[in-house]
Amino acid sequence: TQLLEQSPQFLSIQEGENLTVYCNSSSVFSSLQWYRQEPGEGPVLLVTVVTGGEVKKLKRLTFQFGDARKDSSLHITAAQPGDTGLYLCAPSPGNQFYFGTGTSLTVIP
Amino acid sequence: GAVVSQHPSRVICKSGTSVKIECRSLDFQATTMFWYRQFPKKSLMLMATSNEGSKATYEQGVEKDKFLINHASLTLSTLTVTSAHPEDSSFYICSAPLAGGPDAQYFGPGTRLTVL
Repeated sequence: TQLLEQSPQFLSIQEGENLTVYCNSSSVFSSLQWYRQEPGEGPVLLVTVVTGGEVKKLKRLTFQFGDARKDSSLHITAAQPGDTGLYLCAPSPGNQFYFGTGTSLTVIP
Repeated sequence: GAVVSQHPSRVICKSGTSVKIECRSLDFQATTMFWYRQFPKKSLMLMATSNEGSKATYEQGVEKDKFLINHASLTLSTLTVTSAHPEDSSFYICSAPLAGGPDAQYFGPGTRLTVL
């Protein structure tokens, strides 16, 4: 099992605030994915980061892959209630597919 | 549109009964599918890898006689929770990878199982 630790585990913030979620491991990954899951639904892929140091932006979401490809971060600017959900990181699919421990985000209007 | 479907979306059963959950890939073939279990506000835990034409591979700690997996065809995998008990109540999700590419993993919408 490739253990991916996410922090914080839970986060509750006011609308308009910024936040950062971290995904850390002792293993090196060829690429890493971020997903968002809303209650009662399956995870939806947000982004895949491939190159060490890579930064990808998806509207108000900024994803960064660590230089050593062992960690990643997700930064949300001016959070909105629609950002509420469970954020999951995972190494790219292989023979098995494990998720990180998850970050549950609640954005309060 | 959805590329992986699950049925049923919700099921309530009595303790001791068995429940079957279906996972279908739509418009593509999946020789491998993954089954996950999830508790509220927690991450998905991989239970097993379903392989078409061969036995499923179970993760450590998952009882294969309790959670029966059958990959009946290239588009269908089923998870049967046998002799269900209240502690089996959970959200079960399947996924199927498309051949090739790191982005090619699609998840079903999940099945909420409640055992009374």
